[in-house]
Amino acid sequence: NAGVTQTPKFRILKIGQSMTLQCAQDMNHNYMYWYRQDPGMGLKLIYYSVGAGITDKGEVPNGYNVSRSTTEDFPLRLELAAPSQTSVYFCASRAGQGDYEQYFGPGTRLTVT
Amino acid sequence: QKEVEQNSGPLSVPEGAIASLNCTYSDRGSQSFFWYRQYSGKSPELIMFIYSNGDKEDGRFTAQLNKASQYVSLLIRDSQPSDSATYLCAVKTDGATNKLIFGTGTLLAVQP
Repeated sequence: NAGVTQTPKFRILKIGQSMTLQCAQDMNHNYMYWYRQDPGMGLKLIYYSVGAGITDKGEVPNGYNVSRSTTEDFPLRLELAAPSQTSVYFCASRAGQGDYEQYFGPGTRLTVT
Repeated sequence: QKEVEQNSGPLSVPEGAIASLNCTYSDRGSQSFFWYRQYSGKSPELIMFIYSNGDKEDGRFTAQLNKASQYVSLLIRDSQPSDSATYLCAVKTDGATNKLIFGTGTLLAVQP
């Protein structure tokens, strides 16, 4: 199993550009999450999904959108990138009820200039 | 606003000593508590979780929970240089979705 994979690893965007961060998991997990981590800070939840077709906002959803058309994939869309979105983005997944562990992907480092 | 507080450190301990990492949380309804380790430039990995008052031991790691004081800690015995990392405390506040609130982390440096 590859676990949770994320692409790209690094990206530089200009202000106002858009992009999609890809996340995929091959563990058949129902729950998936997107976090951002600013330097020296903890993780903030952007969006999450409890299954295909079901998504909901986390703590910091403004400027982002998600979709979950399959169990495996959970892309994060940035529209009109702003410098405040410079961060490291982590995707995570969890099997379901009773399973406590969230498995994290390697992260995407995004810089908006 | 639900909050999780940690001392950012760095916490410096000599090799072989006990490292004590602390975390407080604001939501009395919090159900489960997690400790993640994050090496520089890497993703977080789960070390331990605890949901009942008291101690939970796993190898060199012990998690301690006191819900009355809203306090959770992680003890690392016989600290090794390879334990040097940032330790993130996370609290589960939503039972169905396992949404976690993370602290800012404590940087631990184990000196050889």
